[in-house]
Amino acid sequence: NAGVTQTPKFRILKIGQSMTLQCTQDMNHNYMYWYRQDPGMGLKLIYYSVGAGITDKGEVPNGYNVSRSTTEDFPLRLELAAPSQTSVYFCASRPRGQGRSYEQYFGPGTRLTVT
Amino acid sequence: AQSVTQLDSQVPVFEEAPVELRCNYSSSVSVYLFWYVQYPNQGLQLLLKYLSGSTLVKGINGFEAEFNKSQTSFHLRKPSVHISDTAEYFCAVSDPYGNQFYFGTGTSLTVIP
Repeated sequence: NAGVTQTPKFRILKIGQSMTLQCTQDMNHNYMYWYRQDPGMGLKLIYYSVGAGITDKGEVPNGYNVSRSTTEDFPLRLELAAPSQTSVYFCASRPRGQGRSYEQYFGPGTRLTVT
Repeated sequence: AQSVTQLDSQVPVFEEAPVELRCNYSSSVSVYLFWYVQYPNQGLQLLLKYLSGSTLVKGINGFEAEFNKSQTSFHLRKPSVHISDTAEYFCAVSDPYGNQFYFGTGTSLTVIP
């Protein structure tokens, strides 16, 4: 299993541009999450999904959109990039079912700079 | 809502010495507690978790943590650290359904040879 994969690894955007951060997991996990990590701030939840077709806002959803059309994919969309969205973005997933360990499996991250 | 406070942003410690990384949480409902480790330029990896049962939980790499409900704490300990333990450590709490997770600001552990 590849686990959780994220593309791209790095990206520089100009203010006002848009882009999609891709996240794919091959573990058949129901739950998927998007976080941003800013220096000294820990991780903040942007959006999460409990299954295909179901998404909900986290702590910091403004400026982002998500969709979940399949179990495997959970893309994060930035419509009008702003310097405040400069951050490292992590995607994570976890299984649902018996033994519910609540362990999240993280991808390697996407480092985004908006200038 | 839940929140997590990690009391130390940086902890330097000599190799083979013991270490404790402190974590306090606040919540009006029962929660689940976690410690994750992040090595440079990598994603996070679960060290250990408390869901229920024994308040002393053991994780990978010789780490353990104790859940103290009265003090709303979940401190991480290791009796003897190695150079390879140098990393960022995050305490996290989830809501009772495991839908939303709240992370602390992290503690940077540096092991000095």
